[in-house]
Amino acid sequence: QKEVEQNSGPLSVPEGAIASLNCTYSDRGSQSFFWYRQYSGKSPELIMSIYSNGDKEDGRFTAQLNKASQYVSLLIRDSQPSDSATYLCAVNPNDYKLSFGAGTTVTVRA
Amino acid sequence: GAGVSQTPSNKVTEKGKYVELRCDPISGHTALYWYRQSLGQGPEFLIYFQGTGAADDSGLPNDRFFAVRPEGSVSTLKIQRTERGDSAVYLCASSLIAGPGNEQFFGPGTRLTVL
Repeated sequence: QKEVEQNSGPLSVPEGAIASLNCTYSDRGSQSFFWYRQYSGKSPELIMSIYSNGDKEDGRFTAQLNKASQYVSLLIRDSQPSDSATYLCAVNPNDYKLSFGAGTTVTVRA
Repeated sequence: GAGVSQTPSNKVTEKGKYVELRCDPISGHTALYWYRQSLGQGPEFLIYFQGTGAADDSGLPNDRFFAVRPEGSVSTLKIQRTERGDSAVYLCASSLIAGPGNEQFFGPGTRLTVL
């Protein structure tokens, strides 16, 4: 079983819609969770971090965490073509190294 | 200040050669990490430095890989006797400290191609 699992996509959404990305993790002791955005040919860019159960909102992004279900998600509201990228879920299982999922590719249709 | 920088941005080498990849972290960041990303995959952890010492090198694939950070700032990842399977993007990240909730910021990466 992989430590962090994501649907690879591609996830295609129309402009202005909500994109919903899901991630599950295996290490129940994990405490820190991150979402990175990666444009094609570029390096990962941190967009959200979440540490407590519940929702965390930052602009058009909302991260949701449920530690009991070992599940973290990212919602992108009012999706824009510039949101088209691969979104990487990362989990901190032991306080320093990150374990990444393979990423979900999102395409926003104009 | 400036973000994480990595040089070179691209490196093409022949099988069996030695390569060095350099990372300059964000100023003031004490923790430095190396990851490797293959096409279609997320980054994979290689090694982590806290200050000058390698606190965890469990992700290094074999003894051909070695990394140093002699003065606690710039780090160099060294690969001996390169193999075609070493071709990947090598990413460096840094964080202010290592610990719960440490946010890691990535450099642009070095794309290594072994012919």
